[in-house]
Amino acid sequence: QKEVEQDPGPLSVPEGAIVSLNCTYSNSAFQYFMWYRQYSRKGPELLMYTYSSGNKEDGRFTAQVDKSSKYISLFIRDSQPSDSATYLCAMSAGTGGFKTIFGAGTRLFVKA
Amino acid sequence: ETGVTQSPTHLIKTRGQQVTLRCSSQSGHNTVSWYQQALGQGPQFIFQYYREEENGRGNFPPRFSGLQFPNYSSELNVNALELDDSALYLCASSRAGPNTGELFFGEGSRLTVL
Repeated sequence: QKEVEQDPGPLSVPEGAIVSLNCTYSNSAFQYFMWYRQYSRKGPELLMYTYSSGNKEDGRFTAQVDKSSKYISLFIRDSQPSDSATYLCAMSAGTGGFKTIFGAGTRLFVKA
Repeated sequence: ETGVTQSPTHLIKTRGQQVTLRCSSQSGHNTVSWYQQALGQGPQFIFQYYREEENGRGNFPPRFSGLQFPNYSSELNVNALELDDSALYLCASSRAGPNTGELFFGEGSRLTVL
């Protein structure tokens, strides 16, 4: 069993839709939870960063962490074609990005 | 842009050769991590360097080795290249300290092994 599970998709939605992306994990030591966006042939860029459980909102993006269920989510409101990318969940048990483990990534297509 | 730069951007090697990839970290960051990303997969943790010492390693064989220099830049060396080593190699810098989990990635070095 992988430490982090993420549905690779692809997920195709119309412009303006609400997108829900999810990951589950098995290591209860994870404390830092992140979402990265990766465009084709580019390095991942950090979207959201959360420490421990709870919600965090940044513009159209909301990240949720439920440590009791070992489940994290990213919601994208009013999705745009420019949101089309691969979304990677990532998590770590230590500070400084120590041994951050990534999911396989979900490919998202937002159709105009 | 993250301020993390990697070189070279692309390279082609043959099986059995050795390769060195380089990374300059973002200003103020003292920790560097290296990841391997195969096509269609998420990044896989290779190792992390902090204060010029290896500070954690993933499930990669010893032919994957690294260095961190006093200016926090880093190298990834891979010996005896195998076809399965073909991938995007990503360098990420971060700042050690409490509540500092974020990684900042470079654009990667795409390695093809023939």
